[in-house]
Amino acid sequence: DTAVSQTPKYLVTQMGNDKSIKCEQNLGHDTMYWYKQDSKKFLKIMFSYNNKELIINETVPNRFSPKSPDKAHLNLHINSLELGDSAVYFCASTQGAVTEAFFGQGTRLTVV
Amino acid sequence: DAKTTQPTSMDCAEGRAANLPCNHSTISGNEYVYWYRQIHSQGPQYIIHGLKNNETNEMASLIITEDRKSSTLILPHATLRDTAVYYCIVRLVGSSNTGKLIFGQGTTLQVKP
Repeated sequence: DTAVSQTPKYLVTQMGNDKSIKCEQNLGHDTMYWYKQDSKKFLKIMFSYNNKELIINETVPNRFSPKSPDKAHLNLHINSLELGDSAVYFCASTQGAVTEAFFGQGTRLTVV
Repeated sequence: DAKTTQPTSMDCAEGRAANLPCNHSTISGNEYVYWYRQIHSQGPQYIIHGLKNNETNEMASLIITEDRKSSTLILPHATLRDTAVYYCIVRLVGSSNTGKLIFGQGTTLQVKP
C-alpha cells in the first residue's frame, strides 16, 4: 500500500500545453507539499497546503496552480508549459510541521 | 533554518561503516538535525533526526557534537543498496514552522563491493 502516490510517473508534452499531476496520501496527514528537482538535482519546495489551505508559495510562476480538494489530495496544474518546466516533481506529506516527511516516487515531466 | 555543509561525495566499502559528516555551525537551540536520503530516481526517504542527544534506529545512528555545530550519520554496515545522496537538513520543529525542508546539495555516497 503506497503511502504517497503520484500520477502519472512520466509525462512528455509539448510547449504551450496545460497538464496536471495528481498526488494522494493515505497516511491521514494534514499537510502536503510539492517539490521540484531540476536537472542539477537540487530539490526545492514549491507549495504547501495544510488542511486544504495554502501555507507556502515559494515565488513560483503563476502558471503553476496547486489545488487541494481535500487534505488527502494535492494536485498541481501547469499552464502554458515551457522547456524550463522539465523536472521531476515530488509530492510529500507530513502531520503538521512536526513529523518526518513522506515523499512520493516523483513525476518526471519532459517538455519538448 | 540554518545552513548545512556536507562533503560532495564519499566512498565506502560494502560491509563497513559509512560515516557521513555535516556541519551546521549556525544552528539555533530549537532546531533539529534531520537526515534524508535519495536513492537514484526515487523520492527522498527519511532516515533519522535528533536535537542534542545521540539517536539510533533500525537504519542508522546520529551523533551530534556537544556544541551541536556538527553531526555524523553512521550507517553501521553499508550495503550496495545504501548508495544514494544523503541530505543533512536543519529545521525548526513546532507550531511556527511550516514543515518545509530546505535541501542542500547533499553527499553522494557510493558503496563499493
